[in-house]
Amino acid sequence: SQTIHQWPATLVQPVGSPLSLECTVEGTSNPNLYWYRQAAGRGLQLLFYSVGIGQISSEVPQNLSASRPQDRQFILSSKKLLLSDSGFYLCAWRGYAETQYFGPGTRLLVL
Amino acid sequence: AQSVTQLDSHVSVSEGTPVLLRCNYSSSYSPSLFWYVQHPNKGLQLLLKYTSAATLVKGINGFEAEFKKSETSFHLTKPSAHMSDAAEYFCVVSDGSTGFQKLVFGTGTRLLVSP
Repeated sequence: SQTIHQWPATLVQPVGSPLSLECTVEGTSNPNLYWYRQAAGRGLQLLFYSVGIGQISSEVPQNLSASRPQDRQFILSSKKLLLSDSGFYLCAWRGYAETQYFGPGTRLLVL
Repeated sequence: AQSVTQLDSHVSVSEGTPVLLRCNYSSSYSPSLFWYVQHPNKGLQLLLKYTSAATLVKGINGFEAEFKKSETSFHLTKPSAHMSDAAEYFCVVSDGSTGFQKLVFGTGTRLLVSP
């Protein structure tokens, strides 16, 4: 069966510091992968998606970037965090019939 | 463009009473529709999905939804609410304009269940 992991689960970072969030998927190959952000009390915003290694589509111009160095690894990064980067970050992979399956999420608080 | 509208931001029910969470969609394609649930500080869990098979879809935890093309609706129901059903629920449509690579999310409905 397929599983999706995200780490860390929680992160508190100062403004201006770098960021690296990691997502890995097991049990499937060449999946579409997605990064979403959920601000407090709000819905999901798609940040990036990837259809293969090295292929990244950016949905919203922002302070973040994504990379896919391996087939089942998706990384979300920033060189300098802003207060507005705080939120709940969710990674997902796309399975059969357009269904997306989500990881447990990373809570990021920028102070 | 595809879109979903969740008609209620909050729904309050008593334990043991029926649940109805309303969702209307707009799609230029034959849509795939989903309901996801999110408990506090957790990821989203798939409840059920409609992909052009039976219009009445049964999901996990006793939830079901009916696809009504004439009404462009995909309401989520459960006969009897349980305390553990308290969560945020998202209605979602696949985005045909992107070759179904992406999903379009509703703004969510928070379900409150009182004893």
